[in-house]
Amino acid sequence: DTTVKQNPRYKLARVGKPVNLICSQTMNHDTMYWYQKKPNQAPKLLLFYYDKILNREADTFEKFQSSRPNNSFCSLYIGSAGLEYSAMYLCASSRSQITGQLYFGEGSKLTVL
Amino acid sequence: AQSVTQPDARVTVSEGASLQLRCKYSYSATPYLFWYVQYPRQGLQLLLKYYSGDPVVQGVNSFEAEFSKSNSSFHLQKASVHWSDSAVYFCALSLVTNAYKVIFGKGTHLHVLP
Repeated sequence: DTTVKQNPRYKLARVGKPVNLICSQTMNHDTMYWYQKKPNQAPKLLLFYYDKILNREADTFEKFQSSRPNNSFCSLYIGSAGLEYSAMYLCASSRSQITGQLYFGEGSKLTVL
Repeated sequence: AQSVTQPDARVTVSEGASLQLRCKYSYSATPYLFWYVQYPRQGLQLLLKYYSGDPVVQGVNSFEAEFSKSNSSFHLQKASVHWSDSAVYFCALSLVTNAYKVIFGKGTHLHVLP
């Protein structure tokens, strides 16, 4: 089974409200990623967990939080959503020994109003 | 900074025609290179990868890509496309010094006319 599942698939949020997106994988992968994808833009890496170690990109460091309570689950948390957070959020997982081979979920589409 | 450029946002070809999707990268060393494909309503899937060695790599569904160090390119090719190849194709790289970080291009929408 090479499935990465994301919930919810669609999320509508009000400006200033928190948003929590969930990702799970059953492949026992040690690394999990969150990307942000806006129309006509490249997927942008927000952060990744290698095992229990969180690595956040410098330019999004304060905008996104994440947790990984166990190997299978990873969340993406936005404390106060702004209009600029409207995007597709892609979760992926990989085995660190296999460079660059990421398995993606279908994405969670966030719309902030 | 490292980057991936896909100069063609949209490509339209007829079924049975040959295909080339272009990808250029910017990196001071030789990166690891990938092509991913996203079919409608699905997640991105790895199509093929290049780590080192033979510059021509084979992938799924008869796709292949050719690495050129002199041109900093990694173009995707297929001899004869099928309507089911219609999808978005993403070129990506990861760094030898930080293999966890995978950097994507904007993607190329491929539309195959039946």
